[in-house]
Amino acid sequence: SQQGEEDPQALSIQEGENATMNCSYKTSINNLQWYRQNSGRGLVHLILIRSNEREKHSGRLRVTLDTSKKSSSLLITASRAADTASYFCATDAEKLVFGKGTKLTVNP
Amino acid sequence: DAGVIQSPRHEVTEMGQEVTLRCKPISGHDYLFWYRQTMMRGLELLIYFNNNVPIDDSGMPEDRFSAKMPNASFSTLKIQPSEPRDSAVYFCASSPPRLGGVSSYEQYFGPGTRLTVT
Repeated sequence: SQQGEEDPQALSIQEGENATMNCSYKTSINNLQWYRQNSGRGLVHLILIRSNEREKHSGRLRVTLDTSKKSSSLLITASRAADTASYFCATDAEKLVFGKGTKLTVNP
Repeated sequence: DAGVIQSPRHEVTEMGQEVTLRCKPISGHDYLFWYRQTMMRGLELLIYFNNNVPIDDSGMPEDRFSAKMPNASFSTLKIQPSEPRDSAVYFCASSPPRLGGVSSYEQYFGPGTRLTVT
């Protein structure tokens, strides 16, 4: 299956700490995307990294991609309570396939 | 733009009834996706359209499910007859044209329809 697998399934940290989530996948991809889902809401796109890119930044977000290991990581720096959400990686080969997500809780 | 619009937001129905979910994509987007989300199976792609044409319906669970896109601004997902195992949150998403290649751009999700079949 192409589906990305996020790790860990759940993560609980204190406000101000950094949060790191990982994603592994099995097949070659065109790009990899990260999405956030707040409870009871739709998914929101965070960042897209193409297969020929190794690192990308957007505000407090840093995404890395290692195609040789078929893995990606999402780092959220200086976390805030508002970052509490589920985070999904989505891998794109012929179509976008989402993993099961990491549930992040940021405690005030 | 108002974003992707879905209706209804909540639907409660009895087993055997027909359910129709509706979606209005973002203007100018030519890809439309229907997903189903459950705790057990996560987010599953059911079907997607490009320029109103169904491209991949391999995720549609069975013949009880059907989807249409009669024009660029409207799509429906119909379940007939509905069963309790269809209970889930159904999301519609759209994305812009893929200029210069086949790799996808970001998808914009609607708020979802929470379906409960009793």
